[in-house]
Amino acid sequence: EAQVTQNPRYLITVTGKKLTVTCSQNMNHEYMSWYRQDPGLGLRQIYYSMNVEVTDKGDVPEGYKVSRKEKRNFPLILESPSPNQTSLYFCASSLLGANVLTFGAGSRLTVL
Amino acid sequence: EDKVVQSPLSLVVHEGDTVTLNCSYEVTNFRSLLWYKQEKKAPTFLFMLTSSGIEKKSGRLSSILDKKELFSILNITATQTGDSAIYLCAVDPTPGVGIQGAQKLVFGQGTRLTINP
Repeated sequence: EAQVTQNPRYLITVTGKKLTVTCSQNMNHEYMSWYRQDPGLGLRQIYYSMNVEVTDKGDVPEGYKVSRKEKRNFPLILESPSPNQTSLYFCASSLLGANVLTFGAGSRLTVL
Repeated sequence: EDKVVQSPLSLVVHEGDTVTLNCSYEVTNFRSLLWYKQEKKAPTFLFMLTSSGIEKKSGRLSSILDKKELFSILNITATQTGDSAIYLCAVDPTPGVGIQGAQKLVFGQGTRLTINP
Protein backbone atom coordinates (compact mmCIF):
# COMPACT_ATOMS: atom_id res chain seq x y z
CA GLU A 1 0.00 0.00 0.00
CA ALA A 2 1.31 3.45 -0.95
CA GLN A 3 1.78 5.40 2.24
CA VAL A 4 3.73 7.81 4.40
CA THR A 5 4.68 6.31 7.76
CA GLN A 6 5.53 8.42 10.79
CA ASN A 7 6.86 7.28 14.15
CA PRO A 8 6.20 7.71 16.96
CA ARG A 9 2.50 8.53 16.71
CA TYR A 10 2.40 9.85 20.27
CA LEU A 11 5.24 11.10 22.44
CA ILE A 12 5.48 12.91 25.75
CA THR A 13 8.93 14.25 26.55
CA VAL A 14 10.63 16.86 28.70
CA THR A 15 12.27 20.14 27.80
CA GLY A 16 15.74 19.73 26.37
CA LYS A 17 15.66 16.00 25.62
CA LYS A 18 16.58 15.50 21.98
CA LEU A 19 14.11 13.57 19.92
CA THR A 20 13.62 12.45 16.34
CA VAL A 21 10.35 11.84 14.52
CA THR A 22 10.88 9.51 11.58
CA CYS A 23 9.08 9.73 8.27
CA SER A 24 9.28 7.20 5.47
CA GLN A 25 7.43 6.97 2.15
CA ASN A 26 7.25 4.05 -0.29
CA MET A 27 6.09 5.93 -3.39
CA ASN A 28 9.48 7.04 -4.71
CA HIS A 29 8.45 10.68 -4.20
CA GLU A 30 11.12 13.32 -4.62
CA TYR A 31 9.37 15.95 -2.51
CA MET A 32 8.87 15.59 1.24
CA SER A 33 7.77 18.11 3.83
CA TRP A 34 7.03 18.55 7.52
CA TYR A 35 4.09 20.52 8.87
CA ARG A 36 2.87 21.34 12.33
CA GLN A 37 -0.79 21.83 13.12
CA ASP A 38 -1.92 24.04 15.99
CA PRO A 39 -5.47 25.09 16.92
CA GLY A 40 -6.56 28.18 15.01
CA LEU A 41 -3.37 28.29 12.94
CA GLY A 42 -3.87 25.49 10.43
CA LEU A 43 -0.95 23.60 8.94
CA ARG A 44 2.34 25.47 8.84
CA GLN A 45 5.36 24.23 6.95
CA ILE A 46 8.53 23.56 8.96
CA TYR A 47 11.01 22.22 6.39
CA TYR A 48 10.83 20.65 2.98
CA SER A 49 13.07 18.68 0.66
CA MET A 50 12.96 18.49 -3.10
CA ASN A 51 15.37 15.57 -3.34
CA VAL A 52 18.19 13.74 -1.58
CA GLU A 53 20.57 16.17 0.15
CA VAL A 54 18.33 19.13 -0.80
CA THR A 55 16.43 20.69 2.10
CA ASP A 56 15.07 24.16 2.76
CA LYS A 57 13.26 26.09 5.46
CA GLY A 58 9.54 26.51 5.51
CA ASP A 59 7.63 29.13 7.46
CA VAL A 60 8.43 27.97 11.00
CA PRO A 61 11.86 26.25 11.01
CA GLU A 62 13.20 27.56 14.34
CA GLY A 63 14.08 24.77 16.76
CA TYR A 64 13.97 22.01 14.13
CA LYS A 65 16.45 20.23 11.90
CA VAL A 66 15.95 17.77 9.08
CA SER A 67 18.07 15.56 6.88
CA ARG A 68 17.48 13.77 3.61
CA LYS A 69 20.18 11.15 3.15
CA GLU A 70 17.91 8.72 1.35
CA LYS A 71 14.97 9.38 -0.92
CA ARG A 72 12.45 7.52 1.20
CA ASN A 73 13.31 9.00 4.62
CA PHE A 74 12.96 12.53 5.98
CA PRO A 75 13.40 12.63 9.77
CA LEU A 76 12.49 15.68 11.86
CA ILE A 77 14.93 16.39 14.68
CA LEU A 78 14.23 18.50 17.76
CA GLU A 79 17.65 19.05 19.31
CA SER A 80 16.36 20.73 22.47
CA PRO A 81 12.56 20.60 22.57
CA SER A 82 10.63 23.33 24.32
CA PRO A 83 6.96 23.47 25.39
CA ASN A 84 6.07 25.72 22.44
CA GLN A 85 6.88 22.78 20.18
CA THR A 86 3.97 20.83 21.63
CA SER A 87 1.92 20.20 18.51
CA LEU A 88 0.58 17.71 15.97
CA TYR A 89 3.18 17.02 13.30
CA PHE A 90 2.53 15.75 9.80
CA CYS A 91 4.96 14.48 7.22
CA ALA A 92 3.87 14.61 3.59
CA SER A 93 5.27 13.70 0.21
CA SER A 94 4.54 14.10 -3.48
CA LEU A 95 6.10 13.77 -6.88
CA LEU A 96 8.14 16.83 -7.77
CA GLY A 97 5.97 19.35 -9.59
CA ALA A 98 2.76 17.76 -8.33
CA ASN A 99 0.95 19.57 -5.56
CA VAL A 100 -1.29 16.81 -4.25
CA LEU A 101 0.40 15.76 -1.04
CA THR A 102 0.11 12.35 0.60
CA PHE A 103 0.16 12.80 4.37
CA GLY A 104 1.30 10.56 7.17
CA ALA A 105 -1.05 9.80 10.07
CA GLY A 106 0.47 12.46 12.31
CA SER A 107 2.66 12.49 15.41
CA ARG A 108 1.28 14.15 18.53
CA LEU A 109 4.16 15.56 20.55
CA THR A 110 3.88 16.98 24.05
CA VAL A 111 6.88 18.73 25.61
CA LEU A 112 6.62 19.25 29.37
CA GLU B 1 2.26 37.50 2.75
CA ASP B 2 0.21 34.70 1.20
CA LYS B 3 -2.91 33.97 3.20
CA VAL B 4 -5.82 31.49 3.16
CA VAL B 5 -8.86 32.02 5.36
CA GLN B 6 -11.60 29.49 5.94
CA SER B 7 -15.04 30.05 7.36
CA PRO B 8 -16.76 29.09 9.45
CA LEU B 9 -14.12 27.68 11.80
CA SER B 10 -16.66 25.34 13.30
CA LEU B 11 -20.07 24.10 12.16
CA VAL B 12 -22.56 21.72 13.75
CA VAL B 13 -25.51 20.44 11.72
CA HIS B 14 -27.95 17.55 11.68
CA GLU B 15 -27.64 14.53 9.46
CA GLY B 16 -29.29 15.19 6.12
CA ASP B 17 -28.52 18.92 6.08
CA THR B 18 -26.57 20.58 3.29
CA VAL B 19 -23.45 22.54 4.26
CA THR B 20 -21.27 25.05 2.47
CA LEU B 21 -17.70 25.64 3.57
CA ASN B 22 -15.83 28.72 2.43
CA CYS B 23 -12.21 29.38 1.54
CA SER B 24 -10.86 32.77 0.50
CA TYR B 25 -7.27 33.53 -0.40
CA GLU B 26 -4.78 36.29 -1.05
CA VAL B 27 -1.64 35.08 -2.77
CA THR B 28 1.01 36.61 -4.98
CA ASN B 29 0.69 33.84 -7.55
CA PHE B 30 -1.96 31.17 -7.98
CA ARG B 31 -1.50 27.72 -9.40
CA SER B 32 -4.26 25.69 -7.80
CA LEU B 33 -6.54 25.31 -4.78
CA LEU B 34 -6.90 22.03 -2.95
CA TRP B 35 -9.41 20.65 -0.46
CA TYR B 36 -8.51 17.95 2.06
CA LYS B 37 -10.59 16.05 4.60
CA GLN B 38 -8.92 15.36 7.96
CA GLU B 39 -10.49 12.75 10.19
CA LYS B 40 -8.58 11.18 13.05
CA LYS B 41 -5.58 10.39 10.92
CA ALA B 42 -3.92 11.80 7.82
CA PRO B 43 -5.58 14.50 5.75
CA THR B 44 -6.89 12.92 2.57
CA PHE B 45 -7.17 14.68 -0.76
CA LEU B 46 -10.63 15.64 -2.04
CA PHE B 47 -10.34 18.09 -4.94
CA MET B 48 -7.90 20.22 -6.85
CA LEU B 49 -9.25 23.27 -8.67
CA THR B 50 -7.35 25.33 -11.17
CA SER B 51 -9.96 26.98 -13.38
CA SER B 52 -12.77 29.32 -12.47
CA GLY B 53 -16.35 28.17 -12.74
CA ILE B 54 -15.70 24.48 -13.29
CA GLU B 55 -17.34 22.36 -10.63
CA LYS B 56 -15.55 19.31 -9.33
CA LYS B 57 -17.88 16.64 -7.99
CA SER B 58 -17.48 13.41 -6.09
CA GLY B 59 -20.69 11.84 -4.82
CA ARG B 60 -22.32 14.23 -2.37
CA LEU B 61 -19.31 16.56 -2.33
CA SER B 62 -18.69 19.30 -4.84
CA SER B 63 -16.43 22.30 -5.09
CA ILE B 64 -16.06 25.34 -7.29
CA LEU B 65 -13.48 28.08 -7.65
CA ASP B 66 -13.94 31.78 -8.39
CA LYS B 67 -10.56 33.20 -9.40
CA LYS B 68 -11.92 36.69 -9.88
CA GLU B 69 -13.31 36.94 -6.35
CA LEU B 70 -10.51 34.74 -4.91
CA PHE B 71 -12.56 32.10 -3.17
CA SER B 72 -13.75 28.54 -3.31
CA ILE B 73 -16.65 26.70 -1.72
CA LEU B 74 -17.04 23.09 -0.74
CA ASN B 75 -20.61 21.80 -0.67
CA ILE B 76 -21.75 18.64 1.03
CA THR B 77 -25.35 17.56 0.44
CA ALA B 78 -27.37 15.05 2.48
CA THR B 79 -24.68 15.01 5.17
CA GLN B 80 -23.90 11.83 7.09
CA THR B 81 -22.15 11.34 10.43
CA GLY B 82 -19.16 10.04 8.49
CA ASP B 83 -18.72 13.51 7.01
CA SER B 84 -17.68 14.78 10.45
CA ALA B 85 -14.09 15.96 10.04
CA ILE B 86 -11.87 18.99 9.69
CA TYR B 87 -11.91 20.27 6.11
CA LEU B 88 -8.71 21.95 5.01
CA CYS B 89 -8.28 24.35 2.13
CA ALA B 90 -4.83 25.00 0.67
CA VAL B 91 -3.51 27.17 -2.13
CA ASP B 92 -0.44 26.44 -4.22
CA PRO B 93 1.21 29.84 -4.85
CA THR B 94 3.90 28.45 -7.15
CA PRO B 95 4.25 30.71 -10.21
CA GLY B 96 4.08 29.17 -13.68
CA VAL B 97 3.67 25.50 -14.50
CA GLY B 98 5.83 22.44 -14.10
CA ILE B 99 8.65 22.10 -11.63
CA GLN B 100 9.37 25.62 -10.53
CA GLY B 101 10.35 26.91 -7.16
CA ALA B 102 9.25 25.36 -3.94
CA GLN B 103 6.07 23.45 -3.36
CA LYS B 104 4.82 25.45 -0.42
CA LEU B 105 1.13 24.95 -0.02
CA VAL B 106 -0.49 27.64 2.13
CA PHE B 107 -3.18 26.16 4.34
CA GLY B 108 -6.20 27.77 5.94
CA GLN B 109 -7.12 27.18 9.58
CA GLY B 110 -9.59 24.44 8.69
CA THR B 111 -13.33 24.11 9.32
CA ARG B 112 -14.38 21.60 11.96
CA LEU B 113 -17.65 20.05 10.76
CA THR B 114 -19.76 17.98 13.14
CA ILE B 115 -22.76 16.06 11.88
CA ASN B 116 -25.19 15.02 14.60
CA PRO B 117 -27.51 12.04 14.01
